Amino acid sequence: KAGVTQTPRYLIKTRGQQVTLSCSPISGHRSVSWYQQTPGQGLQFLFEYFSETQRNKGNFPGRFSGRQFSNSRSEMNVSTLELGDSALYLCASSVTGVSYNEQFFGPGTRLTVL
Amino acid sequence: QKEVEQNSGPLSVPEGAIASLNCTYSDRGSQSFFWYRQYSGKSPELIMFIYSNGDKEDGRFTAQLNKASQYVSLLIRDSQPSDSATYLCAVNSPVTGGYNKLIFGAGTRLAVHP
Repeated sequence: KAGVTQTPRYLIKTRGQQVTLSCSPISGHRSVSWYQQTPGQGLQFLFEYFSETQRNKGNFPGRFSGRQFSNSRSEMNVSTLELGDSALYLCASSVTGVSYNEQFFGPGTRLTVL
Repeated sequence: QKEVEQNSGPLSVPEGAIASLNCTYSDRGSQSFFWYRQYSGKSPELIMFIYSNGDKEDGRFTAQLNKASQYVSLLIRDSQPSDSATYLCAVNSPVTGGYNKLIFGAGTRLAVHP
């Protein structure tokens, strides 16, 4: 079974631009969660989608948004990029996302904001 | 107050020794606990999960959970240089609606030297 895939793997943007990242979950997984990982803050939860609905949201500004499509693929958008948005963005999929459900991570998208 | 705490390390152990990694959490409602391994430049990889008090063994890995003390640990027996990585403890955090999100600790860096 194929793992979680994320595209693109690397991105370089400048301040003020916007960016869209894509995540394809493991086949049969309906929950997709997004995380931001930086050396200083570690892994921070952004949001979780299940059946095209956002179920949970972390403490990030409204510039960070996402959506999920009917095939469970998910996209994350960051508008008006800031230098501090430079990070590794990871998505993780699980079957349902409720308790006792393991999450499997994709390879991540490395975003650099100049 | 951090919700999931880990000693950042580095924890240095000789090859063949037992490495002991510890994690404490604050949310008494947490029901599931995960250990991820992350090599430098890679995404987290799930290695163990535990839901019930006590020990769970999988090969060279043993996860231990004590809900009364809000403590979870990971033991790695016969440590190998290839075990050198950052180990992330993750705890489910129940949220409104019966769903949950994973809260990660900052990770413990393990270095196994020959």
